[in-house]
Amino acid sequence: QVQLVESGGGLVKPGGSLRLSCAASGFTFSDYYMSWIRQAPGKGLEWVSYISSSGSTIYYADSVKGRFTISRDNAKNSLYLQMNSLRAEDTAVYYCARDEGEVAGSFYVYWGQGTLVTVSS
Amino acid sequence: QSALTQPASVSGSPGQSITISCTGTSSDVGGYNYVSWYQQHPGKAPKLMIYDVSNRPSGVSNRFSGSKSGNTASLTISGLQAEDEADYYCSSYTSSSTPVFGGGTKLTVL
Repeated sequence: QVQLVESGGGLVKPGGSLRLSCAASGFTFSDYYMSWIRQAPGKGLEWVSYISSSGSTIYYADSVKGRFTISRDNAKNSLYLQMNSLRAEDTAVYYCARDEGEVAGSFYVYWGQGTLVTVSS
Repeated sequence: QSALTQPASVSGSPGQSITISCTGTSSDVGGYNYVSWYQQHPGKAPKLMIYDVSNRPSGVSNRFSGSKSGNTASLTISGLQAEDEADYYCSSYTSSSTPVFGGGTKLTVL
């Protein structure tokens, strides 16, 4: 069965960096676009970034552009999010999700359990 | 890309029907048939309930239905049950080739 397991969250100071990982299993990882979606405490969902199956196409939300970098290693069935220059407003649960449908970002069936990132001094 | 607009809360009694609206623009909801809806219970990951405006994934109750008119999409839940109490989010593909979510609606079953 499809499994997505995030890791790497934690407490970091403003201006600091963190790298999230998402381990995928139960499907051919290299066939799918993948996304990161976050949810601040008590708030709604916010799409962060997606990456194409080969890694050649990448998009970011304006709120993270220039600070976050999405990448993937298809040999390791893993998705990553390098987060630099972190701000308090980046505090959220970060989910990885598998893109479905005809276009990237159209919908998500499979989500990880999420990993909490807290940015605070 | 601005978030899609949803009512903050809706409520209904068991057995009743409710509808949650999701308003965007011609650059997102109105321009594409790529609207999806998610249910989220506290502390859990979102669950897909509707995709491509009106399609139900396998395993989702037929009490859930979706539609769209112009720049507004809607999720209707009929025969409300206690377990339907949750947060609901809409999402749409946009002209920027990225998705945007709604602000979320808290459904209370009275």
